[in-house]
Amino acid sequence: NAGVTQTPKFQVLKTGQSMTLQCAQDMNHNSMYWYRQDPGMGLRLIYYSASEGTTDKGEVPNGYNVSRLNKREFSLRLESAAPSQTSVYFCASSESDLRQPQHFGDGTRLSIL
Amino acid sequence: GQQLNQSPQSMFIQEGEDVSMNCTSSSIFNTWLWYKQDPGEGPVLLIALYKAGELTSNGRLTAQFGITRKDSFLNISASIPSDVGIYFCAGFTNDYKLSFGAGTTVTVRA
Repeated sequence: NAGVTQTPKFQVLKTGQSMTLQCAQDMNHNSMYWYRQDPGMGLRLIYYSASEGTTDKGEVPNGYNVSRLNKREFSLRLESAAPSQTSVYFCASSESDLRQPQHFGDGTRLSIL
Repeated sequence: GQQLNQSPQSMFIQEGEDVSMNCTSSSIFNTWLWYKQDPGEGPVLLIALYKAGELTSNGRLTAQFGITRKDSFLNISASIPSDVGIYFCAGFTNDYKLSFGAGTTVTVRA
């Protein structure tokens, strides 16, 4: 089983460029999440989607947009990348809207120069 | 999110040892979660705790939801090399905001 699949695994951007991080899950989960992980800090929630057609802001949503394209896919977009957005981004999913991520992808390592 | 303090920040284990780590908060939590992250991978949910005083095991892992609802503990018994990684606690307050601790890094003692 693939679980949660994120693409790309690595990306380098220049300041001001735009980029969409893709995430897909094959577990028929209702809820999906985007987190960022920075050194010495816990994961911080950017956006989440409790179910298809709904999205909500998390703790650090500024500079990001999301799309819940269908039940399987939840994408994260950086419209104008900034060096402060250099991070490792994780997508996660859970069966229900417990806001409790159960399955994480392997992450996208994003560097913005 | 709420501030979660994980302790220790890092630890060395020797095969066969029992190890412990904990997580504390100044706020009351109604759910505690423990995750493990291996290098280059995403976190994996190990144990979820929903009630004060609850003690739950998953193989050699045991976690407890503190009576005060402001702390949680994770114990690993008879550690093995594959226990290395970063262990994260996470907790929910009543407003369903999940906060993560900064992690405890476990490495093998040379």
